[in-house]
Amino acid sequence: QVQLQESGPGLVKPSQTLSLTCTVSGGSISSGIYYWTWIRQPAGKGLEWIGRISPSGTTNYGPSLESRVTISVDTSKNQFSLELTSVTAADTAVYYCARSRPWLNWFDPWGQGTLVTVSS
Amino acid sequence: EIVLTQSPGTLSLSPGERATLSCRASQSVSSSYLAWYQQKPGQAPRLLIYGASARATGLPDRFSGSGSGTDFTLTVSRLEPEDFAVYYCQQYGSSPYTFGQGTKLEIK
Repeated sequence: QVQLQESGPGLVKPSQTLSLTCTVSGGSISSGIYYWTWIRQPAGKGLEWIGRISPSGTTNYGPSLESRVTISVDTSKNQFSLELTSVTAADTAVYYCARSRPWLNWFDPWGQGTLVTVSS
Repeated sequence: EIVLTQSPGTLSLSPGERATLSCRASQSVSSSYLAWYQQKPGQAPRLLIYGASARATGLPDRFSGSGSGTDFTLTVSRLEPEDFAVYYCQQYGSSPYTFGQGTKLEIK
């Protein structure tokens, strides 16, 4: 079965760029029938959809972060990535990657999540 | 953007009791494109229900979802100790795909 695993720095300085990678195992990221998604959750708070990417590289972003976020895919490594620029303390959160479908955007499975803290 | 409001914020019940969680949308959710997730401390959310009423693979049948339009419900017919967690609804009928703020189901 497909599994997802986030990786990246756990600490980022304010105004810098947050970069995370999600590695997909147990299935090909380029199978063509799934989209690949990033979601975040500040401590003790709810979930926020950041955006998604198709295997061909088509992206959709949520409006609150759209000006600062880039999601990319590397099919040769079976990975997709998140970049969030000009971070502030408000971007401190657990970041999850997950799988969805082109028209049926429920999220399953999820990675275990990785905590990113924005602090100097 | 569709805003989802979950109620109650916290639900205190005992094992064996029935739990009813509500999710109300600020506008109609097209095609009943609504999902429910369970999240336990330190874990990622787990998909329970999609399409408002379809159970995810392997989900016990004590979990059921219902509703359409703007009002949706997750019911747990007989609570087991492992069911105490936070539950989120999510709509995927229109982008951005939004979540409710969650209902915490706690042991009474």
